[in-house]
Amino acid sequence: EDQVTQSPEALRLQEGESSSLNCSYTVSGLRGLFWYRQDPGKGPEFLFTLYSAGEEKEKERLKATLTKKESFLHITAPKPEDSATYLCAVQADSGGSYIPTFGRGTSLIVHP
Amino acid sequence: DTGVSQNPRHKITKRGQNVTFRCDPISEHNRLYWYRQTLGQGPEFLTYFQNEAQLEKSRLLSDRFSAERPKGSFSTLEIQRTEQGDSAMYLCASSLGGTGTFFGQGTRLTVV
Repeated sequence: EDQVTQSPEALRLQEGESSSLNCSYTVSGLRGLFWYRQDPGKGPEFLFTLYSAGEEKEKERLKATLTKKESFLHITAPKPEDSATYLCAVQADSGGSYIPTFGRGTSLIVHP
Repeated sequence: DTGVSQNPRHKITKRGQNVTFRCDPISEHNRLYWYRQTLGQGPEFLTYFQNEAQLEKSRLLSDRFSAERPKGSFSTLEIQRTEQGDSAMYLCASSLGGTGTFFGQGTRLTVV
């Protein structure tokens, strides 16, 4: 069974304090790994898709990287508006269904 | 707006009543997914459609849950005889094939 584990569960940072969120996964036949941002009471907002080990994607203060077992979401010099829950999902080639399986998320709070 | 649209945004219902939620996917997307999310958890997969065909429904939570996607366009998720444990956020997402999956804002269900 596909599994996705995110750590830490919660993270508090000071504004400008860079850090990384981890997403480790066990799937057979990874098709893609997705990162989302979710604000309270809203649906997940798509950030990145990574397809193969060694791939990196960047958007503003966020950078996502992928290895064969895990992905990192690096946050550089975060601002209070980066506070949100960050979700990781993996999509495996399970008979062609490609159903994204989510982790529980990391709740990030950035203090001014 | 060309994103995924869900209605209603909020629904309060009495235990035992039936409820139906609607999802309008991004117009060119052929895949449509339903997820459920409870507080502190990642989205939990329920079912998905490719065009009008429902390809996976074994993870619907019980036989009280059903989904349709007539003509491969919008979709509805119905919960019959609601229970307090059904209270959650119900999320719809769409994708083109196995590419990035985009979510709507969700329908928050409260069963009293």
